[in-house]
Amino acid sequence: DVKVTQSSRYLVKRTGEKVFLECVQDMDHENMFWYRQDPGLGLRLIYFSYDVKMKEKGDIPEGYSVSREKKERFSLILESASTNQTSMYLCASMDRPTDTQYFGPGTRLTVL
Amino acid sequence: GEDVEQSLFLSVREGDSSVINCTYTDSSSTYLYWYKQEPGAGLQLLTYIFSNMDMKQDQRLTVLLNKKDKHLSLRIADTQTGDSAIYFCAEIPPYGSGNTGKLIFGQGTTLQVKP
Repeated sequence: DVKVTQSSRYLVKRTGEKVFLECVQDMDHENMFWYRQDPGLGLRLIYFSYDVKMKEKGDIPEGYSVSREKKERFSLILESASTNQTSMYLCASMDRPTDTQYFGPGTRLTVL
Repeated sequence: GEDVEQSLFLSVREGDSSVINCTYTDSSSTYLYWYKQEPGAGLQLLTYIFSNMDMKQDQRLTVLLNKKDKHLSLRIADTQTGDSAIYFCAEIPPYGSGNTGKLIFGQGTTLQVKP
């Protein structure tokens, strides 16, 4: 079975803090994704990566950056957390050739 | 444009069948997916269907695809209280159209199963 893990289920941070969310997959997938999920707005793509050190902006990259130093690990970074980044963050890893995305359990981030 | 539509809410009684419907706009999507999300959890892949198929069955789940009408449905037989969750359909537009794997999700259908 594909396993995608995220570093924290719940996280509380203060405005202005630097926040790291980590995602690890164990299936040697090349493509990995970060989404955020908000009531009424659905799931929105923040960033994705299609290989080590490669990254592409999604629909809402502002205020975020990412890092992919190893194939299995994709990190989302909030350089200076703000209250409007309070959300559920979901990481996914993509299996080829079905392009099926497998999701981690999510990180509920609250920024005070 | 990219858009996936679902009804927001469905309520059924335990033991009945549930049918969750979805319409999508990109007829060139190769695969279509159904995900389940329980409260506070991530998205669990339920099943997917290749676009050249009409139907796929997996235990209690049946997926029907009508490409002409761009309509996808998920039928859950003998619905149980543990099936209560939000169900998302999603499509993935083909590569080369500016997309490199981004899933397009519907807004999710909340399934309520009454005992």
